[in-house]
Amino acid sequence: ETGVTQSPTHLIKTRGQQVTLRCSSQSGHNTVSWYQQALGQGPQFIFQYYREEENGRGNFPPRFSGLQFPNYSSELNVNALELDDSALYLCASSLPGQGSLNTIYFGEGSWLTVV
Amino acid sequence: SQQGEEDPQALSIQEGENATMNCSYKTSINNLQWYRQNSGRGLVHLILIRSNEREKHSGRLRVTLDTSKKSSSLLITASRAADTASYFCATVLSGGGADGLTFGKGTHLIIQP
Repeated sequence: ETGVTQSPTHLIKTRGQQVTLRCSSQSGHNTVSWYQQALGQGPQFIFQYYREEENGRGNFPPRFSGLQFPNYSSELNVNALELDDSALYLCASSLPGQGSLNTIYFGEGSWLTVV
Repeated sequence: SQQGEEDPQALSIQEGENATMNCSYKTSINNLQWYRQNSGRGLVHLILIRSNEREKHSGRLRVTLDTSKKSSSLLITASRAADTASYFCATVLSGGGADGLTFGKGTHLIIQP
């Protein structure tokens, strides 16, 4: 139990639609990041939010966007869904203070299938 | 793109044996971390080793880091059926944590009773 909860756990969308995934992080964790994990692959970094601002981004197009709220919960939005967007989407949070040395806590993920 | 590459891709051993997984990476790092993932579930942080450390222990886990060879290994001693999972190494680049973690493709470990 990491204290990071994600919703929904599973969902199916049609190509071209939009999806919003949600993440609630541990109390006090002000850094939230999102990862995409395709089947049989390692997770790939999408972006990171710190105090409601995006402060790092991986190699993902602008149709992947996010928000972080004052309570540090977060959303990942994907527009114009493509079949290759089918994956497990993982949210991760960490404490402030030690930067990259902090332990990162992952949620159980949201399985997205695009048909 | 994947920074790290785990080796082997899959490993099957008998319960009680030791399991060794290797990870290679390409660029300078701040630290390297190992994670476990049970089938289709979230990642669990196992251990972090800083770039100026060479070896670290945590319970039945031993991690080594060789920055000259850009490689790391994870040893699980006295394996148990519950250790069956995928194991990933992940690096944090020298620039700091805002670049996120860069994962390899993982080693799928099966412990046979």
